[in-house]
Amino acid sequence: AQTVTQSQPEMSVQEAETVTLSCTYDTSENNYYLFWYKQPPSRQMILVIRQEAYKQQNATENRFSVNFQKAAKSFSLKISDSQLGDTAMYFCAFMNPPEGGSYIPTFGRGTSLIVHP
Amino acid sequence: AAGVIQSPRHLIKEKRETATLKCYPIPRHDTVYWYQQGPGQDPQFLISFYEKMQSDKGSIPDRFSAQQFSDYHSELNMSSLELGDSALYFCASSLAGQRREQYFGPGTRLTVT
Repeated sequence: AQTVTQSQPEMSVQEAETVTLSCTYDTSENNYYLFWYKQPPSRQMILVIRQEAYKQQNATENRFSVNFQKAAKSFSLKISDSQLGDTAMYFCAFMNPPEGGSYIPTFGRGTSLIVHP
Repeated sequence: AAGVIQSPRHLIKEKRETATLKCYPIPRHDTVYWYQQGPGQDPQFLISFYEKMQSDKGSIPDRFSAQQFSDYHSELNMSSLELGDSALYFCASSLAGQRREQYFGPGTRLTVT
C-alpha cells in the first residue's frame, strides 16, 4: 500500500517570504501522479498543483512550484512571495491508477501553514 | 465556471437518525467520488461511481449507501447515525479520460448529536 508522509504538522512564514512544505511517499510503482491540495478555513479542497511521475520537469503554477525527486520519493511544495490568503492546510496526495482506471488518491495528514503579516 | 455543488452545506442530526447528502458534479463530469474528513484528519475515500455504476469502494460503513443517477448527480445515504459520523463529507467529480483531476465540492458538514 502506498503511504504519504508530511512530517511538518505546522509551519509559519512571514508575508512575502518563501516557504517549503515537505512530502515523502512510499511506492513500488513507476507511473503515478502527485498532488498538492490547499484547504483554507472555508474547508474547500482546492487543487494547487499536479506532477506526473514520468515528467522530469518540476511543475509550476504561478507562485507555487514543486521539487520532485523521484529516486528519493520526495515531493515538496515551494510557495514564493507568500500571501495572507495562502494560510491553509496543505495536503500532499499520491495517485497510482492501475490498469482499468481506479483513481483514488492517498492523502498525507496535512501541514497547517500560517502566513503572518 | 460551474463547480461541484453539494447540499446541504450543514446538517445536524441525532444519533440513530438518517441523513442524505447530495452532490451535483460539474456539467459533463461522469465520475463522482465521496470522501469523509473527520476533525483534524485527512480525507478518506468512501466510494465512487462512474456512469451510474459503483467503480471503487473504500472505507464506507455498511450503514452508508450511495448511488449515482441518470443525470450524474449522486446521493450518499447514511443510516443509524453515530457520533463518530460527524465529519465533513466531500464530493468530487471528474471527467472520463481525466480522472486524475478531481474537482472537490465545498463539502457538507454533518454533526451528529
